[in-house]
Amino acid sequence: GQNIDQPTEMTATEGAIVQINCTYQTSGFNGLFWYQQHAGEAPTFLSYNVLDGLEEKGRFSSFLSRSKGYSYLLLKELQMKDSASYLCAVAPGGGNKLTFGTGTQLKVEL
Amino acid sequence: ETGVTQTPRHLVMGMTNKKSLKCEQHLGHNAMYWYKQSAKKPLELMFVYSLEERVENNSVPSRFSPECPNSSHLFLHLHTLQPEDSALYLCASSPGQGASGYTFGSGTRLTVV
Repeated sequence: GQNIDQPTEMTATEGAIVQINCTYQTSGFNGLFWYQQHAGEAPTFLSYNVLDGLEEKGRFSSFLSRSKGYSYLLLKELQMKDSASYLCAVAPGGGNKLTFGTGTQLKVEL
Repeated sequence: ETGVTQTPRHLVMGMTNKKSLKCEQHLGHNAMYWYKQSAKKPLELMFVYSLEERVENNSVPSRFSPECPNSSHLFLHLHTLQPEDSALYLCASSPGQGASGYTFGSGTRLTVV
């Protein structure tokens, strides 16, 4: 079966750094995605990891360890607009469907 | 504009009504998807279409009926829904083969009364 776990909620301070973790157990693995979703809006693509290591893109970085079934999304220099839900999703392998976690609701405070 | 457009944005319907959700993508993608998003739950995959052929139906009740007339359009026909079907229904598209990210629409917020 497929199982993806991430924290339900997190709170952080503007200007700080926050790390959102995701662990997964899937029957296969063909990549891990992070999406950002603001309330009432479409989820938007943030990052894709298929090999172990860190991918950096501006203020956002994503890390993957395939042996541990673990990923994290790192957000630096937090801004109020970063308040959103962050969705971890895995491509289990074969085909092109994604399996999603419940999402982590991040609240950025002053 | 995300490249994937869903209409309507909001829908309230009675349990005896029939309505349809529409999704349109202008990205030249070959695969389209319907997901259900309920509070505190992961996105649930409902249907997958690849090159206009349904390739997956995730044990979805027959009161939900998808239609994909061409690679750019996807519909979800609704009839005799239940209150527990109230949710955000998201459409997505992807280029097709292999692991590739989705482009999502903004969703239809459905309330069944």
